[in-house]
Amino acid sequence: KNEVEQSPQNLTAQEGEFITINCSYSVGISALHWLQQHPGGGIVSLFMLSSGKKKHGRLIATINIQEKHSSLHITASHPRDSAVYICAVRSTGNQFYFGTGTSLTVIP
Amino acid sequence: DTAVSQTPKYLVTQMGNDKSIKCEQNLGHDTMYWYKQDSKKFLKIMFSYNNKELIINETVPNRFSPKSPDKAHLNLHINSLELGDSAVYFCASSPGTSFTDTQYFGPGTRLTVL
Repeated sequence: KNEVEQSPQNLTAQEGEFITINCSYSVGISALHWLQQHPGGGIVSLFMLSSGKKKHGRLIATINIQEKHSSLHITASHPRDSAVYICAVRSTGNQFYFGTGTSLTVIP
Repeated sequence: DTAVSQTPKYLVTQMGNDKSIKCEQNLGHDTMYWYKQDSKKFLKIMFSYNNKELIINETVPNRFSPKSPDKAHLNLHINSLELGDSAVYFCASSPGTSFTDTQYFGPGTRLTVL
């Protein structure tokens, strides 16, 4: 069992929809990252969280340390949001765990 | 200006060869990383250097050796290449230490071992 689980694995949405991607982890963490991998392969770091909530444009990331859960929300989704979203954590034991990614397709 | 660059972009080689991938960042960051993404697109961290000092060394075969001549460069040397080494290797950098800051990724190097 992977220490980081993401859901859903695949997601198709209509343009304009509100999207939520979930990340659950089983270890104590000091940091959690959300990464975006574009269809061409490039990777962009979206957020680093250790508590609370962060917002950047149409993207919002939240984390609940007690529940060991993080969510990535995309408001007013757009086809250019189509990508794979990866959750990654650094544990308090300085180990690193990655989710298998959520593949998002936004249809015009 | 390219923030994090990697060379080469593609590398095709025979089993048993030794090869290197180079990474350079012009962001003035203190920390650099190497990641491997396998054929199933699973990403994992391999190494991290902070100011030329190795700070993360995940379970990676010792055929892989990172080298950091200065804090702007982190090269990855692979000895005796195996079929299972075929993957995309990403370099990244961050201002802080060890996964605590936003990371900036290079474009990746696709390694194919025949």
